[in-house]
Order: sequence, then C-alpha cells, then structure tokens
Amino acid sequence: EVQVVESGGGLVQPGGSLRLSCAASGFTVSNTPMNWVRQAPGKGLQCVSVISSGGITYSADSVKGRFTISRDNSRNTLYLQMDSLRAEDTAVYYCARDRGDSGLDWGQGTLVTVSS
Amino acid sequence: DIQMTQSPSSLSASVGDRVTITCRASQSINTHLNWYQQKPGKAPKLLIYAASSLHSGVPSRFRGSGSGTDFTLTISSLQPEDFATYYCQQSYNIPRTFGKGTKVEIK
Repeated sequence: EVQVVESGGGLVQPGGSLRLSCAASGFTVSNTPMNWVRQAPGKGLQCVSVISSGGITYSADSVKGRFTISRDNSRNTLYLQMDSLRAEDTAVYYCARDRGDSGLDWGQGTLVTVSS
Repeated sequence: DIQMTQSPSSLSASVGDRVTITCRASQSINTHLNWYQQKPGKAPKLLIYAASSLHSGVPSRFRGSGSGTDFTLTISSLQPEDFATYYCQQSYNIPRTFGKGTKVEIK
C-alpha cells in the first residue's frame, strides 16, 4: 500500500528553522516527482516545493531562498528544510506523491505555526 | 505558472440537488485536470483524474468533463457526505496549481 507520513511540524518563532520529513512506503521516492503543498488556515492549496525523479527542484517565489526540498534515497524519505520562517508560513504542510495525470497521493499533513 | 480559476467560491444546496462547479485554466491544459474533495482537518481526496476518469471507490454521482481551458465537476444528486470543499488541480506542468476551492454547504 502506498503511504506517505509527514512529521516535524510544530511551533517556531519568526526567523527560526524547521525540517519536515515525509516517510514513504509502497513506492520509491527517488523514482517519482514529489511535492510539498501547504494550506494556510482557512485558505486554499499551494505547491511550495517540488523535486523531480531526476533531482531537479522547484520552489515557489514566496519561499525561494528560504526553503529547500531534498530526499534521502536510503531512507526513502523526502525533506523540507525551512529557514527564516515568517508568520505567513503558518500552514498545514502536506507531502504528496505526484502521479501526473493520475493525481496526487497525500499524507495526513503536519502543522507548522510561526509565532512569537 | 498556470492560473486555475474556480467558480463559485461557495454554494448552498440541499440533499438530492444537482451541483455544478467550474474550473478554468489560464492556458490550454488538454485534459490534464484533477478534482479533489477536502473535509475539515483532513487531506484532500482524489475524485476525478484526467478530467473525466473516476478514481477508484468514488461514487458514480461524481462526474468530470471538459478539455482545453474549461472544466466541470458535477454531483448528480448531492448526499450528506458530499458537503465539503472541492478543488481543481492542473497536472499539465510544474508547479501543480490549484483552484481556490468551492465550499459546498447545506441549505
């Protein structure tokens, strides 16, 4: 069964850092594009970072230079390193396996709260 | 990035009603369009992929149509468990982009 499980969320002060993890099972992270999608409270869905199967990465302008997506093939795990966090980064962060025209497979999400 | 525009942003309907939600892409995306349902506190769930294909386990009252820039999600007879927020998402290119959502509420 395909599953992704996020962890690492929590409360952090503005300017702080956090690293989110996404443990995958039932498929190989290195063989498929993977996304981090966030949802601010009461808002819609925004893709913030993507890594292709070839290792090419994309970051939304709002997080460029602050967030870094990576993966550890030996652990079959995706990461999102978030630095210089701002209040507007407060959101539920979802890890999502990208199956292209067959849609996204979502984890349960992890909440990141940036507040002093 | 491809912009996805959904309408309406919310609607009120009764059980048994036929509901239609539209999604427009800022450029042609052929049939690279997926629909999701999200309930409060939960991750989105895939309903329709490739514009009109029903995901496994999704009731047949959900129907997707469209191609190019204009797409529609139709719920033929609204059920109590269908009250939720619905999102469209393009899978034509990276980054994947979403509509702002349509909240379906009980009238």
